[in-house]
Amino acid sequence: DAKTTQPPSMDCAEGRAANLPCNHSTISGNEYVYWYRQIHSQGPQYIIHGLKNNETNEMASLIITEDRKSSTLILPHATLRDTAVYYCIVRVGTSGSARQLTFGSGTQLTVLP
Amino acid sequence: DSGVTQTPKHLITATGQRVTLRCSPRSGDLSVYWYQQSLDQGLQFLIHYYNGEERAKGNILERFSAQQFPDLHSELNLSSLELGDSALYFCASSVAGNHPERNEQFFGPGTRLTVL
Repeated sequence: DAKTTQPPSMDCAEGRAANLPCNHSTISGNEYVYWYRQIHSQGPQYIIHGLKNNETNEMASLIITEDRKSSTLILPHATLRDTAVYYCIVRVGTSGSARQLTFGSGTQLTVLP
Repeated sequence: DSGVTQTPKHLITATGQRVTLRCSPRSGDLSVYWYQQSLDQGLQFLIHYYNGEERAKGNILERFSAQQFPDLHSELNLSSLELGDSALYFCASSVAGNHPERNEQFFGPGTRLTVL
């Protein structure tokens, strides 16, 4: 799995967009970018994933640069409940039985009132 | 609610003891993963079972073992416990469907183990 680099912490004002960056300069062509988050001491929660196109779901948007060496997770209207550690994970998609996740240090996002 | 259940929620025990943590995956999910989260090590993968068979091992100590039963629930056994085994233990489940790249894992609420 490719190595990822994320800032250790970020703040965001409530109601504003939170943009969380992730660098993955050694990503391979068959590796996907996954984002999970962990609200204090709860189990991690899947947010979104993508390969090369930008993706959007009900939780967030994922923007992947054309060279795929970096990506940004966007929470369009952050709320206090979005305060959590956000993990960017890069790994191959698999067939059959899925593989484990390798978590780095993540970014602690604090949404301020 | 992810649909993954773990029991017990909290466990306090003494060094040298043995404990069993239990996980019930989401209905239909064949894969179960165990992760350990301690303050100094972050979230670390321990072991993965798929439909009753061990598929991958991570940083799992020899004192730890796991199994997945025919009804797909899983147990993580920790023996000869040490102070450093105090941590949150998470179980996750997933299913390999028509979109294997999704590999979304659903995590349970965790078991907090305290070894005194």
